[in-house]
Amino acid sequence: EAGVVQSPRYKIIEKKQPVAFWCNPISGHNTLYWYLQNLGQGPELLIRYENEEAVDDSQLPKDRFSAERLKGVDSTLKIQPAELGDSAVYLCASSWGLALAGEDTQYFGPGTRLTVL
Amino acid sequence: QKEVEQDPGPLSVPEGAIVSLNCTYSNSAFQYFMWYRQYSRKGPELLMYTYSSGNKEDGRFTAQVDKSSKYISLFIRDSQPSDSATYLCAMSGHGQNFVFGPGTRLSVLP
Repeated sequence: EAGVVQSPRYKIIEKKQPVAFWCNPISGHNTLYWYLQNLGQGPELLIRYENEEAVDDSQLPKDRFSAERLKGVDSTLKIQPAELGDSAVYLCASSWGLALAGEDTQYFGPGTRLTVL
Repeated sequence: QKEVEQDPGPLSVPEGAIVSLNCTYSNSAFQYFMWYRQYSRKGPELLMYTYSSGNKEDGRFTAQVDKSSKYISLFIRDSQPSDSATYLCAMSGHGQNFVFGPGTRLSVLP
């Protein structure tokens, strides 16, 4: 069974440029997560989708970040314009999606490493 | 004070040693506890999942949860160089998102 797929794996852009990350979750997983991971830190949730609905986007900086999950499968996370402080690893995870989030095991993709110059 | 605290290391041990990794937390509502292993330039992979207090064993790995002390541990027996990675604890309450610790970097020396 294929795991969570993310692309690109690496991206280098100049500040103020736009950038987009793509995630394909494990087949059948209803819940999709986008996390940000800074060096030496654990992942921090940006947004959680249940099917195509964003059920928790409280930590997403909405002035520059946007996300979508059309048809409840693949998802795209966009930053426009990018800032120097956005340099980090952007992780996508997926899970079956149970009624109680705490019981739901998340499977992570390899991440996209973003460098903003 | 952060919700989840974890010694960042690095922790270096000789091959075959018993490794003890720990996390403390402040939110008494946490009921679900996980340990993830993350190799360099890879995504985290789930190692252990524990609900509420108690012990859970899986091969060379044992997870312990002490809710009264708000303290969880991961023990690795007969450590191998392939265990060298960053270990992240994560925890949540009912219907809540998981909160991750910063991770402990482990090096097992041959």
